[in-house]
Amino acid sequence: DSGVTQTPKHLITATGQRVTLRCSPRSGDLSVYWYQQSLDQGLQFLIQYYNGEERAKGNILERFSAQQFPDLHSELNLSSLELGDSALYFCASSWTGDMNTEAFFGQGTRLTVV
Amino acid sequence: AQSVTQLDSQVPVFEEAPVELRCNYSSSVSVYLFWYVQYPNQGLQLLLKYLSGSTLVKGINGFEAEFNKSQTSFHLRKPSVHISDTAEYFCAVSDYYKLSFGAGTTVTVRA
Repeated sequence: DSGVTQTPKHLITATGQRVTLRCSPRSGDLSVYWYQQSLDQGLQFLIQYYNGEERAKGNILERFSAQQFPDLHSELNLSSLELGDSALYFCASSWTGDMNTEAFFGQGTRLTVV
Repeated sequence: AQSVTQLDSQVPVFEEAPVELRCNYSSSVSVYLFWYVQYPNQGLQLLLKYLSGSTLVKGINGFEAEFNKSQTSFHLRKPSVHISDTAEYFCAVSDYYKLSFGAGTTVTVRA
């Protein structure tokens, strides 16, 4: 158990819908990172938050947004969903603002868009 | 831009045999390299990392990797694998704020 909690574990939704994925980082960790894992794109970095502020952005679509709340949990919002958004979405956390410090990954949320 | 290439997509290996997973990197600046493992239906777990110093890095579960600057490689090795090492292995490079992962190598250990 990495200490990073992601909910829900599985999500099935229809095209055009909006979903919210939640991540609770390890106790004491200030950074949250979101990654997408799909068969065609592999593991792709989406976005990072550090202590409530956006720190880095990767290949995140405009239909996707994220935030980190004062209690440090984070949510990833995916809207106008398309079939191609089906993937495993991972959250990771670390106590610093960089990934050279060990980052701990959650078990992921598997999103299926039908 | 920094990137890594994993040279093998699948590596079948017999139990107690050695295994080597190959990873080449591309970077024009200081390089920080990682190996992560993903067991079935699990998240990623850090095996080891190279930030600086000794080029031979020892990690968890008996794994080690060697940073070779002249060959731009960071190959992962284990002298004797177990059935429980069956998993997907990812090489990654950090630019400080994010990791860029390779496509992954699936290791299947057979009895």
